[in-house]
Amino acid sequence: DAGVTQSPTHLIKTRGQHVTLRCSPISGHKSVSWYQQVLGQGPQFIFQYYEKEERGRGNFPDRFSARQFPNYSSELNVNALLLGDSALYLCASSSDGHQETQYFGPGTRLLVL
Amino acid sequence: DAKTTQPTSMDCAEGRAANLPCNHSTISGNEYVYWYRQIHSQGPQYIIHGLKNNETNEMASLIITEDRKSSTLILPHATLRDTAVYYCIVSPLAGGTSYGKLTFGQGTILTVHP
Repeated sequence: DAGVTQSPTHLIKTRGQHVTLRCSPISGHKSVSWYQQVLGQGPQFIFQYYEKEERGRGNFPDRFSARQFPNYSSELNVNALLLGDSALYLCASSSDGHQETQYFGPGTRLLVL
Repeated sequence: DAKTTQPTSMDCAEGRAANLPCNHSTISGNEYVYWYRQIHSQGPQYIIHGLKNNETNEMASLIITEDRKSSTLILPHATLRDTAVYYCIVSPLAGGTSYGKLTFGQGTILTVHP
């Protein structure tokens, strides 16, 4: 079975630009969570979506937004990129919106110049 | 969410058991202990989780103390491929405000050497 997939694997943007990252959950999983991992730190929770609704949000500015589609895939959007947004962005899926085990994808590495 | 404390780094010889400790003294009765690991530049990999009883799967064993204030992840026969950052996470059950949220700390850097 395919695991969580993310695209693109790497991305380079300049300050002020916008970026869209994509995630496909494990087949049958209805919940997707997004995390940001800055170099040298553990992942930090950004959002969780379940059945196309936002169920949780971490301490991130409104420049960060996300959505979930009917097929349970998800997009993370970041507007007005800052240098500090350079990080590994991780997507995790679980079978429902509760405390089921989360399985992570390989991540998208974003570099903002 | 309850906080966890882990040693910054540990070493282990290949073929020996690696025992990774974690303190979670403020854990609540309905919170699980999860372990993930992250090999350099990859996404975190789920290892094991437990509530009260000891757990074992094909990857590892999880020993939780009776008072649930600490736990130990055991890799029975460590290999070079087990070199990674290991995260101990305490996660509440659904019903509160922490849906889908895993709170990662700094983790333990485990180095397995030949």
